[in-house]
Parts: sequence; C-alpha cells; structure tokens
Amino acid sequence: DAGVIQSPRHEVTEMGQEVTLRCKPISGHDYLFWYRQTMMRGLELLIYFNNNVPIDDSGMPEDRFSAKMPNASFSTLKIQPSEPRDSAVYFCASSLSSGGMDGYTFGSGTRLTVV
Amino acid sequence: AQRVTQPEKLLSVFKGAPVELKCNYSYSGSPELFWYVQYSRQRLQLLLRHISRESIKGFTADLNKGETSFHLKKPFAQEEDSAMYYCALRGGSNYKLTFGKGTLLTVNP
Repeated sequence: DAGVIQSPRHEVTEMGQEVTLRCKPISGHDYLFWYRQTMMRGLELLIYFNNNVPIDDSGMPEDRFSAKMPNASFSTLKIQPSEPRDSAVYFCASSLSSGGMDGYTFGSGTRLTVV
Repeated sequence: AQRVTQPEKLLSVFKGAPVELKCNYSYSGSPELFWYVQYSRQRLQLLLRHISRESIKGFTADLNKGETSFHLKKPFAQEEDSAMYYCALRGGSNYKLTFGKGTLLTVNP
C-alpha cells in the first residue's frame, strides 16, 4: 500500500485565491482526518469523516474552509478565499476502526504558503 | 473535554544521555495514549501506544493514571532521535486524536 497520499506537496498562492488540497486514504480505512500544523498552535484537528460522512467539523476555523469526501478513496479540503494566516502544513490521516488501539497513518502533508 | 500538555517545547541533550519527554493529559475516562514522531519535514509516524507496552527504537512510555502522565523515555539518546515528538490522546466513543503541541528533541554529538 502506498500509504496516505496527499497532493500537492507544496502550494504557493496569492491572498484571495481558492486553494484545494487533496487526500487519498489507505484503502479500507473508514476514518479520515484533516489536521493543520503550525509552529504556534501545533497540530489542530480541522474535521474528520467516518464512512465518508463528516462527524466533527468543530475545528474548521471559519466559513472559508470546507471539506468533502465524495467517496471512500478521496477527500478535499478547500480554502476560499485564502489568507496569509492560513499558511501552514495540512496533514491528512486515515484510520481503521478495528476496535483496537491503532493510531493513524498520516500523509506527507501539503505545505501551503499564502502570500 | 480532553487535553494533552507537553510542557517542554524544546529539549536538548547530548548523545548517550538519558532523555525524558513529558506528557500530561486531562480526561475523565480511560484514555488511549500514543506517541508520534516527526523527523525533519517528514510525515508523522506512530512511535508507541500505551496498550501494547512495547519498546520501539529504545523508547518506552508508561501510562501513570494517578499522575495522568505518559512520559516518553530512552536511557541513551542517539543523534538520529532528533525529531519532533507529539503525545496524543483518544478518549470515549469519538475516534479523534487530540495532540499536544509537541516537543522538539535535539540530540547533540
């Protein structure tokens, strides 16, 4: 398995532009998570899905952020319009609810810079 | 509410010295605790989970419910241990992990 795949790896965009981050979870995993990582705030959970359904989006900072999971193998995180304070590394992670004590498998992240 | 506190943002030790990365948590039920490691500009990787009581790369962590702690320890640090370490908690029926803010460990030669 190639693991959790995120694209793009790096994104530089101008303030006001729309940004779309993509994630392909591990096949068979039924949970998908979007995290944001910054120096100041560490890792923040933005939203997570179970079986493609959003369960908790309380971490989404504001209406400019939206996330979708149209099927079990794809999710997007969209920021529209983007602002410089959105600059961060965005991680996607997936997990299997096997009932055991497994953690998550993380993707390599997308480093977003908004100028 | 669940909360994870890693009191040290930075920790610097010399090679061969013991290292302890502190983690305290707040949760009213029985938590599941994890340690994740992130090497420079790489993805986060699961290092340890308390349920398995394992030792990975020489690291161990014991859950102390009385002190609500899950400190990560290694008796002899190596330069390749230099990384960011995150403690994480999962509690209750929700499946989300709550992370601490991380500790950047630097092992000097």
